[in-house]
Amino acid sequence: DQQVKQNSPSLSVQEGRISILNCDYTNSMFDYFLWYKKYPAEGPTFLISISSIKDKNEDGRFTVFLNKSAKHLSLHIVPSQPGDSAVYFCAVGSGNTGKLIFGQGTTLQVKP
Amino acid sequence: DTAVSQTPKYLVTQMGNDKSIKCEQNLGHDTMYWYKQDSKKFLKIMFSYNNKELIINETVPNRFSPKSPDKAHLNLHINSLELGDSAVYFCASSQDRGVLFGQYFGPGTRLTVT
Repeated sequence: DQQVKQNSPSLSVQEGRISILNCDYTNSMFDYFLWYKKYPAEGPTFLISISSIKDKNEDGRFTVFLNKSAKHLSLHIVPSQPGDSAVYFCAVGSGNTGKLIFGQGTTLQVKP
Repeated sequence: DTAVSQTPKYLVTQMGNDKSIKCEQNLGHDTMYWYKQDSKKFLKIMFSYNNKELIINETVPNRFSPKSPDKAHLNLHINSLELGDSAVYFCASSQDRGVLFGQYFGPGTRLTVT
């Protein structure tokens, strides 16, 4: 029973354009939402997070949007760069437990 | 300077053997985790320790036993290895529960059971 879904296994965009990665979750009790980036043969790297009291958080080229009513979050990368090519995982968690539940990832390819 | 390190990086072994994976973090964090990434690429938490105390213990066969000798180390021992244990195992650490400021992952250990 998947509580976190990333329905697009892959995404390809042109350098300089916007990349939009999406994630849906099922349980409205989650209160923290995170994005991780993973290169081959490396561990995931934390990118950006947002708590349930906000609907947007921005850090440089990365912005995370949270739509609680739709149980949906997205990651916008603009402008996209070839070095952004990686697998992106969304993760949801509860501040009480510290447990993170991950989606299965979206592979982003940014073409020069 | 590696923040979260794991040894070994690759581990190939036969069914029925017992093996250990070691993890160390030099970030001064008080919480450490073990995750398993299966063949379908799902990353699932197995265990979490906070200040050497077990705080998360997911539904994992009791052939898997974590051991935390101190805050900077969390080892994973696996008894009687099975084919289905083949996966990439990631260690991670965080300050407190790490849900807002993220968890820092090691490079992973690819375990292959033949």
